[in-house]
Amino acid sequence: DAKTTQPPSMDCAEGRAANLPCNHSTISGNEYVYWYRQIHSQGPQYIIHGLKNNETNEMASLIITEDRKSSTLILPHATLRDTAVYYCIVRVALPGSARQLTFGSGTQLTVLP
Amino acid sequence: DSGVTQTPKHLITATGQRVTLRCSPRSGDLSVYWYQQSLDQGLQFLIQYYNGEERAKGNILERFSAQQFPDLHSELNLSSLELGDSALYFCASSDRFGSPLHFGNGTRLTVT
Repeated sequence: DAKTTQPPSMDCAEGRAANLPCNHSTISGNEYVYWYRQIHSQGPQYIIHGLKNNETNEMASLIITEDRKSSTLILPHATLRDTAVYYCIVRVALPGSARQLTFGSGTQLTVLP
Repeated sequence: DSGVTQTPKHLITATGQRVTLRCSPRSGDLSVYWYQQSLDQGLQFLIQYYNGEERAKGNILERFSAQQFPDLHSELNLSSLELGDSALYFCASSDRFGSPLHFGNGTRLTVT
């Protein structure tokens, strides 16, 4: 799986959009970009994933650049409960027996009141 | 609620002992994954099972073993426990279609 690079920490004001960047310059054509977050000592929570098109769900939006070498996770209106470590992971998703996720260090997002 | 259930939530035991952690995957999920997260450490992949068979191995010690049963629940067995085995142990599951992994809330193991 391709390696990802994320800033170690970011702050965001409550109510503002949080934009978390991820670099994955060695991504392959069949690799998806996944985002997870882990709120202190809880199990990682799936947020969103995409291949090449931008994606949006009730939690967040995922913007993937045209060359697919980087992406941005957007939390449109951050709340204090969004304070967590956010992981960007690149992974091949094949039916039958999906491969495990390889977690890096992630970005510690702190939402400030 | 992810639908993945892990028991027990907390476990305290002594060095040299053996423990078993249990995971019930989401309904319909065939794959189960085990991860270890030590204090201030990242999530380390241990092992994956798919429909009862071992599918992938990560940084799993020889003292650790796992299995997945016909009803698809999984158990992680940790033996000859050492202080350094104190950690959070997470289980995740996914379906046969390559869906995202969904994690349980973990078992916190403390070895004294």
